[in-house]
Amino acid sequence: EDQVTQSPEALRLQEGESSSLNCSYTVSGLRGLFWYRQDPGKGPEFLFTLYSAGEEKEKERLKATLTKKESFLHITAPKPEDSATYLCAVHGGGDYKLSFGAGTTVTVRA
Amino acid sequence: DVKVTQSSRYLVKRTGEKVFLECVQDMDHENMFWYRQDPGLGLRLIYFSYDVKMKEKGDIPEGYSVSREKKERFSLILESASTNQTSMYLCASTGTVYGYTFGSGTRLTVV
Repeated sequence: EDQVTQSPEALRLQEGESSSLNCSYTVSGLRGLFWYRQDPGKGPEFLFTLYSAGEEKEKERLKATLTKKESFLHITAPKPEDSATYLCAVHGGGDYKLSFGAGTTVTVRA
Repeated sequence: DVKVTQSSRYLVKRTGEKVFLECVQDMDHENMFWYRQDPGLGLRLIYFSYDVKMKEKGDIPEGYSVSREKKERFSLILESASTNQTSMYLCASTGTVYGYTFGSGTRLTVV
């Protein structure tokens, strides 16, 4: 069974204070690792897909990296609008199911 | 852009009621999913469907059923609602695994 663990559960940052979120995974044959952003009361929004160790993707102040056991989401010089819950998910099987972590809730104070 | 629409943002139902949660997508996707989201537990898969009239159990199907009579519509049914089914319910669709699109969610409270 695929397993995804995200840490920390919550992260409070000052505006401009860079940090990283961790996603550790166990999967038999990773076919893709996904990062989503979720605002309160809304559905998750797609951010990145990573397919193989060493791959990196960037979008504005966010950068996702992947190793064989974990992924990091780096937030550089965050702004209050980056406050959200960030979800990590893996696809390891032959179907279309994703397994999700519990998320990291990021709060950025001005 | 793909749009996934869930019919209700908030619902309050009584214990024992039969509850229908509706989800419609507009991009002709074959694959549709129902998840529930609870604090500290993340998203857990209830049921999914790869085609019309096809359904597969996810990780937590007990107490739920689904219906997919048309390609664009995937309904989640709580046969007899219980308080432990109070949760945020999220519908998603995809044409491939690389493009999950979620609806805005339905926050269900069972009293």
